[in-house]
Amino acid sequence: GENVEQHPSTLSVQEGDSAVIKCTYSDSASNYFPWYKQELGKGPQLIIDIRSNVGEKKDQRIAVTLNKTAKHFSLHITETQPEDSAVYFCAASRGGLSTLTFGKGTMLLVSP
Amino acid sequence: GAVVSQHPSWVICKSGTSVKIECRSLDFQATTMFWYRQFPKQSLMLMATSNEGSKATYEQGVEKDKFLINHASLTLSTLTVTSAHPEDSSFYICSARAPGLAGQNEQFFGPGTRLTVL
Repeated sequence: GENVEQHPSTLSVQEGDSAVIKCTYSDSASNYFPWYKQELGKGPQLIIDIRSNVGEKKDQRIAVTLNKTAKHFSLHITETQPEDSAVYFCAASRGGLSTLTFGKGTMLLVSP
Repeated sequence: GAVVSQHPSWVICKSGTSVKIECRSLDFQATTMFWYRQFPKQSLMLMATSNEGSKATYEQGVEKDKFLINHASLTLSTLTVTSAHPEDSSFYICSARAPGLAGQNEQFFGPGTRLTVL
């Protein structure tokens, strides 16, 4: 089955800096890669996703890149703000009716 | 759009009792819903996949007789924790697959239910 590794487990940045979280996956058939933000005591929220026919996708301060050959994808957050502090999870799926496999999560702390 | 709700948001029960958690897709029809369990500072663990009108598919190691799942309509799935014990205390999260392009499988998550078994 699919295995998703996520790094780092904790990331501390100063407000205004950029943050990068990286994930690798094992199943070459995976083609859907969402990122979720989870605040304390709440459910995960989809913040951005990318499919295997695209190498990069941006949404304001958030971007995701995908390298299918190397089987890794990354989340980039620019101009970080304290409200970006949360746990971020990457996931991978074969798409269609397949389930998601999650990484272990990254706790992002943005200091003012 | 794509809002998923859960009820209750938190529940405390005595050991040996049963607890039902509801998951609703508010503005879309969800043919598939998923139930996850999350322990503190850990990732989401998929418990089961629930398809409307059919039996749920449970992940390996999840007791189907203990975690009863019903998906009676396109907007409602329920998880019943039967004969709950303290080790069942956890954060339970549902998600629903939103209809989209063929082959796509966006999942939108509910806010979670904190279960504490005394």
